[in-house]
Parts: sequence; C-alpha cells; structure tokens
Amino acid sequence: EVQLAESGGGLVQPGGSLRLSCAASGFTFSSYSMNWVRQAPGKGLEWLSYISVTGDTIYYADSVKGRFTISRDNAKNSLYLQMNSLRDEDTAVYYCARDRGYSTYWGQGTLVTVSS
Amino acid sequence: EIVMTQSPATLSVSPGERATLSCRASQSVSSNLAWYQQKPGQAPRLLIYGASTRATGIPARFSGSGSGTEFTLTISSLQSEDFAVYYCQQYNNWPPLTFGPGTKVDIK
Repeated sequence: EVQLAESGGGLVQPGGSLRLSCAASGFTFSSYSMNWVRQAPGKGLEWLSYISVTGDTIYYADSVKGRFTISRDNAKNSLYLQMNSLRDEDTAVYYCARDRGYSTYWGQGTLVTVSS
Repeated sequence: EIVMTQSPATLSVSPGERATLSCRASQSVSSNLAWYQQKPGQAPRLLIYGASTRATGIPARFSGSGSGTEFTLTISSLQSEDFAVYYCQQYNNWPPLTFGPGTKVDIK
C-alpha cells in the first residue's frame, strides 16, 4: 500500500524556519517525482514545488521561490521542504504528493502555523 | 500562468440526483486536466486524469469530459459520500501547476 506521511509542522514565529519531511513507503520512491502542495485554512489548493526522481529538475511557485527549498533522499525514501523566512500567509496544511503532473497519492498533511 | 476557474462555487444537490461541475482554463490545456475530491480534514483524492480517465478504484458514477479550455465533471447519481469539495487542476503548461478554486457539493 502506498503511504506518504508528512511531519515537521508546528507553530513558528514570522521570519522563522521549519523543515518538513515526507516519509514514503509501499512503492519505489526513487522512481517517482514528488511535489509539495499546501492549503491555507478554509482555502483551496496551492502547488508549491516539484522535484524529479534524481533531484536534477526542481521547480517552485513564485510565492515561495527563494525562501523554500525542496530536496529528497532516495536512500531514505524521504522528501523534504526547508522553509525559511516564514510569513503569516504561509500558515497552511502542507501535503506531499506523488507523481509528475497530476498526483495519484497524497499524504495526510502537516499543519504549519506562522504566528507571533 | 494558466488560471483555472470553477463554477458554481456551491452546488446543492439531493441524494440520487445528477451533479454537473464546470472547470475552465484561461488557455488551452489540451486534455491535461485532473479532478480531485476533498472531504473535510482529509487529503485530496484523485478522481479523473487526462480529462476523462477514472483513477483506480473510482466508481463509474464519476465521469469527466472536455478538452481545450472547457471541462465537466459529472456525478450521475449522488451518494452520501460524494458530498465534498471538488478541484480541477491543469498539468499541460507548468510550472506552475494550477488548481481551480473548488466547487462545494452539499446536500439540498
């Protein structure tokens, strides 16, 4: 069974940093591209970042470019999102999602709250 | 950036009735369009990709159609478990991947 499990969310002050992790199981992680998508409270879905299977192709949404960094460790079956210079508007549930283009599998999400 | 719009914002439907949801792209996305269902407190669930192909395990009452800029998700006979928010997403021209704002299907 494919499983994606995010962790690392929590309460952080504006300007602070967090590192999110996504642990993958039930499939060959190194064969699949991955994405991060977020959802602010009561709002819709916002794509944030994409990473290819080897990590040589990476894309970001303009809203996080220069502040967030996506990475992966295929040996550990893990995806990461380093988030720096966090703002109030980054408050959201953050999902990792598998596949290039449309996402067949999603984790349950981890809540990031940016507040003083 | 391709902007996705969805209508209506809210659709009130009685169980057993047909629901028709619309999605429009600001420019052609060919057939590179997906639909997701999201229930409160849950992650999105892929329903349709390629505009009309049902994902694994998705009941036949869900169908997608359209190409270019106009797309439709039809739920032929609403079941209680279908009341949720539905999002369309284009993956033809990216980055960025873009989602519509969602249509909430609630009980009439």
